[in-house]
Amino acid sequence: GNSVTQMEGPVTLSEEAFLTINCTYTATGYPSLFWYVQYPGEGLQLLLKATKADDKGSNKGFEATYRKETTSFHLEKGSVQVSDSAVYFCALGNTGGFKTIFGAGTRLFVKA
Amino acid sequence: EAQVTQNPRYLITVTGKKLTVTCSQNMNHEYMSWYRQDPGLGLRQIYYSMNVEVTDKGDVPEGYKVSRKEKRNFPLILESPSPNQTSLYFCASSSADRAWEQYFGPGTRLTVT
Repeated sequence: GNSVTQMEGPVTLSEEAFLTINCTYTATGYPSLFWYVQYPGEGLQLLLKATKADDKGSNKGFEATYRKETTSFHLEKGSVQVSDSAVYFCALGNTGGFKTIFGAGTRLFVKA
Repeated sequence: EAQVTQNPRYLITVTGKKLTVTCSQNMNHEYMSWYRQDPGLGLRQIYYSMNVEVTDKGDVPEGYKVSRKEKRNFPLILESPSPNQTSLYFCASSSADRAWEQYFGPGTRLTVT
């Protein structure tokens, strides 16, 4: 079946450090891929998405590229800020749309 | 403003006392879903609905009911809550024309004693 695996946290970085959060997936067909972010005390919100192979999603300095050959969708940011501290979820949307599968989430702490 | 609303945001109740958590969206989305979030377990889908009067079980449906009588509303019903249903609950909606990206409500923190 379809599944998403993302790196375990927490991840602790200093401000301006480079961030990578790994995400790999198993899926049939051609799913859409998403990164959602959850700030403390809030619901999840979409950070970026990619709907087909080789697409790059980007938002707020974050990027992720849909790599079908490695079944990956790693999240990257060149220089993190304290305000990026949150939980990040990788997610897989199947072609039928009714089932979104979420990874377990990775908590990021950014120190000033 | 496009949004998903949930009420109440916080609820403390006792075992066995029926409760309903409401969810409403103003984006005319056909798809709606309920999730629970627990430490170490991530997000787990409880029920989803593809459209009015069409609902189906997610991964953890036991102890929950839903209904979809109107497109905008998708209430979650706990007929006889138990302490293991203490959790953070999220409602979400999405649509095919947005590649099924999900819009989440702010969450309902439920404690069952």
